[in-house]
Amino acid sequence: GDSVTQMEGPVTLSEEAFLTINCTYTATGYPSLFWYVQYPGEGLQLLLKATKADDKGSNKGFEATYRKETTSFHLEKGSVQVSDSAVYFCALREGGSYIPTFGRGTSLIVHP
Amino acid sequence: GAGVSQSPRYKVAKRGQDVALRCDPISGHVSLFWYQQALGQGPEFLTYFQNEAQLDKSGLPSDRFFAERPEGSVSTLKIQRTQQEDSAVYLCASSLRDRREQYFGPGTRLTVT
Repeated sequence: GDSVTQMEGPVTLSEEAFLTINCTYTATGYPSLFWYVQYPGEGLQLLLKATKADDKGSNKGFEATYRKETTSFHLEKGSVQVSDSAVYFCALREGGSYIPTFGRGTSLIVHP
Repeated sequence: GAGVSQSPRYKVAKRGQDVALRCDPISGHVSLFWYQQALGQGPEFLTYFQNEAQLDKSGLPSDRFFAERPEGSVSTLKIQRTQQEDSAVYLCASSLRDRREQYFGPGTRLTVT
């Protein structure tokens, strides 16, 4: 079945550091890929998405590129802020499905 | 506008008690989803409604879990005879239609003692 693997957290960075959170997936079809963010005490929010190979999703300075050859969708940001501290979830959804498959989440802690 | 709301935010139940968790979706959203998120894990699908019809309940872990959405808006997830393994955060999400973006509520953290 489908699965999503994320790097273990927590990831701890200083403000303005470069961020990468790795995500790889296994899928039987040709899925859409997503990154969600969950701030403390809040629900998941869609951060960005990509629906086909080589698409780049971007939002709020975060980017991720759909790499079919490496089955990856790594999240990057050039300069993190304290306010980016949250848990980040990578997810996929097959084209014919309404059910996303989530990774385990990666906690990001940004220090001033 | 108002997002998805869930109540209660926290629930402590003794093993064997029944609990009811409520979800108020975004007005006008046809689709409603329930997920279970265990500690340190991503959300896992429980069940899906389109309006008042429960179209998919394949993720419900046992027959102790029951969900309803009688008027096609508010939904309730009921867990009977709670067990310790039911301890988790229960997330509700709604969307305009089934494959559109899902908007998540803050979740209900259930602790079974």
